[in-house]
Amino acid sequence: KQEVTQIPAALSVPEGENLVLNCSFTDSAIYNLQWFRQDPGKGLTSLLLIQSSQREQTSGRLNASLDKSSGRSTLYIAASQPGDSATYLCAVWPERDSWGKFQFGAGTQVVVTP
Amino acid sequence: ETGVTQTPRHLVMGMTNKKSLKCEQHLGHNAMYWYKQSAKKPLELMFVYSLEERVENNSVPSRFSPECPNSSHLFLHLHTLQPEDSALYLCASSQDSGGTGILRQYFGPGTRLTVT
Repeated sequence: KQEVTQIPAALSVPEGENLVLNCSFTDSAIYNLQWFRQDPGKGLTSLLLIQSSQREQTSGRLNASLDKSSGRSTLYIAASQPGDSATYLCAVWPERDSWGKFQFGAGTQVVVTP
Repeated sequence: ETGVTQTPRHLVMGMTNKKSLKCEQHLGHNAMYWYKQSAKKPLELMFVYSLEERVENNSVPSRFSPECPNSSHLFLHLHTLQPEDSALYLCASSQDSGGTGILRQYFGPGTRLTVT
């Protein structure tokens, strides 16, 4: 069974520092990997989706890399701002599952202090 | 309205009550999902509907009963719940990727359920 782990569970940085969030998964046979942001008590917002054939995706200050062979993905957030404070979740879609049966990590809770 | 909406946003119910959660998507998608999010635990997929047919039931207790009358609406009927069922219930939708692996899920804001 696919397992997804996110380390660290919580992270606090001063404003302006770069954020590095890690996601690891046990089975490299995946269709894609998605990074989400979740604000307290709210739903998830999709940030980046990396297909299995891609190595990275970028959107503004966000950059996500994917190394399928080692079962790892990293989300980089450049020049962090207090508005980046949220929980960040990664999810993988295993190849042997159909219909978007994403497996989620438990998330990394990020606090950016002014 | 745009995106995925869920009602109610908050619900408190007793163990003997019957209630329903509603989800509506305005994105033209053909698949919808129910997830459960408990404190400090990963999201758990409960049900998947594709083209109004249930394609996945992840061994969810029968006290949770889904209904998908059309591709835009999804319900979760609740009865005789337990306190451990208290959680954030999230609905999501997506469009069939046609085997390309480009399946992006869009989430609603969730219903915060408390069972007393």
